[in-house]
Amino acid sequence: KNEVEQSPQNLTAQEGEFITINCSYSVGISALHWLQQHPGGGIVSLFMLSSGKKKHGRLIATINIQEKHSSLHITASHPRDSAVYICAPQKTSYDKVIFGPGTSLSVIP
Amino acid sequence: EPEVTQTPSHQVTQMGQEVILRCVPISNHLYFYWYRQILGQKVEFLVSFYNNEISEKSEIFDDQFSVERPDGSNFTLKIRSTKLEDSAMYFCASGGNTIYFGEGSWLTVV
Repeated sequence: KNEVEQSPQNLTAQEGEFITINCSYSVGISALHWLQQHPGGGIVSLFMLSSGKKKHGRLIATINIQEKHSSLHITASHPRDSAVYICAPQKTSYDKVIFGPGTSLSVIP
Repeated sequence: EPEVTQTPSHQVTQMGQEVILRCVPISNHLYFYWYRQILGQKVEFLVSFYNNEISEKSEIFDDQFSVERPDGSNFTLKIRSTKLEDSAMYFCASGGNTIYFGEGSWLTVV
């Protein structure tokens, strides 16, 4: 079983839709990162969570440590949100992050 | 906004040649990492580095690979004798309170 799973694997949405990407993991963690990668591009850190919820602009990330589950929400999606979103838990501070398989999001105008 | 910088952005090399990928981590960070991403696949961990030594490495990081911090600022990944399957995007990252990733170095082995 993979340590990190994400759903859906691929997602196509109309501009303006509310989007949810889910992540579940099997290991104990100290933090979880949500990362964004555009095609052929670098990796950008969106959030680091250790509990609760964080919001940045139209992006919201939540985590439930007991259930080993995290979600990334995008409100009022826009074509520029089209990218791969990666869940990456981290077992302890300064440990490597464990990359999930990613969710490929395409937002259509 | 702090930044991890990587050079070169793209390198094409002949099979069997040595390649050095360079990274400048964020100045007050102490933990450094290399990851790679083969085209169309997920990102894989290669190695982590702390206090001038390797703290963890994956199965991918075999004897062909080495890392060093030659001058206290750069963090390098060396591939001694490249193979076709080393073609990938290589990401450097540095860690303090959070992890920052570089833009990546595309390596194409022909």
